[in-house]
Amino acid sequence: DAKTTQPTSMDCAEGRAANLPCNHSTISGNEYVYWYRQIHSQGPQYIIHGLKNNETNEMASLIITEDRKSSTLILPHATLRDTAVYYCIVNDGGSNYKLTFGKGTLLTVNP
Amino acid sequence: EAGVVQSPRYKIIEKKQPVAFWCNPISGHNTLYWYRQNLGQGPELLIRYENEEAVDDSQLPKDRFSAERLKGVDSTLKIQPAELGDSAVYLCASSLFGISGYTFGSGTRLTVV
Repeated sequence: DAKTTQPTSMDCAEGRAANLPCNHSTISGNEYVYWYRQIHSQGPQYIIHGLKNNETNEMASLIITEDRKSSTLILPHATLRDTAVYYCIVNDGGSNYKLTFGKGTLLTVNP
Repeated sequence: EAGVVQSPRYKIIEKKQPVAFWCNPISGHNTLYWYRQNLGQGPELLIRYENEEAVDDSQLPKDRFSAERLKGVDSTLKIQPAELGDSAVYLCASSLFGISGYTFGSGTRLTVV
């Protein structure tokens, strides 16, 4: 699986958009970008994933650059409950489907 | 939908004692995973099941850890004997053919004293 690089921590004001970057410069053509988050004392929670097109669901938007070497997870209106560790993971989603977590980004949403 | 259910939620044991964790995955999910999460780190895969078959146990410390998934549904992870370094959160997850993401349980926090 390709390696990802994320900032250790970020802050965001409540109600503002939170933009979480991820670098995955060694991503291969068949690998997807997955985002999970982990709120304190809970298991990780799936947010969104994409291959090369931008994706949006009820939780977030995923913007993947044209060369696919980086992506940004966007929480459009962050709330205090969005404070969590956010993990960016690259995986081919095939028969060897296995998520390998790094340390992620601790997003703190401030009132 | 009940989600992935794990028990117990917390466990404190003395070193050298055995301990077991139980996981009930989402109904119909054929793939089950056990992860271990140390403080300040991301989860690390221990073992992955496809139905009742362990298809990836390369990261499972087999001298003291064992796991089983009877009838391809519930799973148990055991440590015998436990060591101080086994203190961590043990997470179970399930998915349907590995597509569209996992669903994780809340985990079991193990403290070995």
